[in-house]
Amino acid sequence: EVHLVESGGGLVKPGGSLRLSCAASGFTFSTYSMNWVRQAPGKGLEWVSSVSTTSTYIYYADSVKGRFTISRDNAKNLVYLQVNSLRAEDTAVYYCARRYCSSTSCNPIDYWGQGTQVTVSS
Amino acid sequence: QLALTQSPSASASLGAPVKLTCTLSSGHSKYAIAWHQQQPEKGPRYLMKVNSDGSHNKGDGIPDRFSGSSSGAERYLTITSLQSEDEGDYYCQTWDTGIVLFGGGTKLTVL
Repeated sequence: EVHLVESGGGLVKPGGSLRLSCAASGFTFSTYSMNWVRQAPGKGLEWVSSVSTTSTYIYYADSVKGRFTISRDNAKNLVYLQVNSLRAEDTAVYYCARRYCSSTSCNPIDYWGQGTQVTVSS
Repeated sequence: QLALTQSPSASASLGAPVKLTCTLSSGHSKYAIAWHQQQPEKGPRYLMKVNSDGSHNKGDGIPDRFSGSSSGAERYLTITSLQSEDEGDYYCQTWDTGIVLFGGGTKLTVL
């Protein structure tokens, strides 16, 4: 059974940093693209970042470019999101999610974690 | 520019059918989309992928009462015989190189 478990969220002051982690199990982690998606209170889903299977391709939403860094460790089945220079508008539940991508095309997100809360407040 | 549009809300009676719509932006009518369900206070759950030809591929354990279809730039999620547990938010999602996009979501109320 596929499991994605996020951790590392918390309360942080504006300008602060956190490192979010996502532990994957129940599938061959190294063959899936991994993603972070966030949801601000009372709002919809917002894609944040993606990392390909071998970390060759990394993408970010414009809203986080230059402040957030995604990475993965295929030996440990972990994906990370380093979040720096945090702002109040970064307050959200952060979800880890997987997608399968071949050399020519990608599928949609097909599994989600339960999320970790990040609150940015002074 | 690639974008998805959803109606903010929908409602239907217990046991009745409902059809939710997701509309792709102009010039993107051949894109596939996915539907995700988010029940209150829970994380999202993948329901299915819907292709431009109307074919769909459901996720693991998704009940038969959920189905997908397409017409032009519109992608549909149909729920036959609504259950109380179907109440929640429904998001469509699409993708292109380097980007993943979500619609604004439809809040479904079961009357």
